[in-house]
Amino acid sequence: QVQLVQSGAEVKKPGASVKVSCKASGYSFTSYDINWVRQAPGQGLEWMGWMNTNSANTRYTQKFQGRVTLTRNSSTSTAYMELTKLTSDDTAVYYCLRVGYDDYSHWFDPWGQGTLVTVSS
Amino acid sequence: SYELTQPPSVSVSPGQTATITCSGDKLGHKYVCWYQQRPGQSPVLVLYQSHKRPSGIPERFSGSNSGNTATLTISDTQVTDEADYYCQTWDITLGVFGTGTKVTVL
Repeated sequence: QVQLVQSGAEVKKPGASVKVSCKASGYSFTSYDINWVRQAPGQGLEWMGWMNTNSANTRYTQKFQGRVTLTRNSSTSTAYMELTKLTSDDTAVYYCLRVGYDDYSHWFDPWGQGTLVTVSS
Repeated sequence: SYELTQPPSVSVSPGQTATITCSGDKLGHKYVCWYQQRPGQSPVLVLYQSHKRPSGIPERFSGSNSGNTATLTISDTQVTDEADYYCQTWDITLGVFGTGTKVTVL
């Protein structure tokens, strides 16, 4: 079955960077794009960015421009999200999602299990 | 930036109908997805293209989108439907989520 499995929880100090991985299985990795979304404790969902898994082209929401980098390794069907200059406001669960599509629209299905990133001194 | 607004909470009795709204400027001109997030779990797609259900999602879940408001309707609400629900659309090429609605079944 289609599955996205993310790396484990991380604890980082302010100013550090974190890199979260997302391994896809059950489908052709480069046939579907990957997006990343985060959710701070007790808060809603926040869209971060989009990666075309075939071309590696990316686009990011303005809030994370300059701090987030999305990459992938097609040979291992793994996507990565790196976030730099961490602050306590970056404490959140980070999700990778596969982008489903047809001629009209896109949707997120499935989601990875989430990776908790805690930023604390 | 584009914003989607949802009511913070909706309460419904088992077997009754829950209605969750999502408001945004000219939202009816866009496609909307809805996601269900049960406590401690990852979100799950329940509707896409405003009204289509993925395989495995019960017919009790339905949707519409017109004007400035998209609506998720849960008919014959079950205790298992208790969760947070988020609408989502696209602002040109950027994803946007609604503020989220907690559905309580009591």
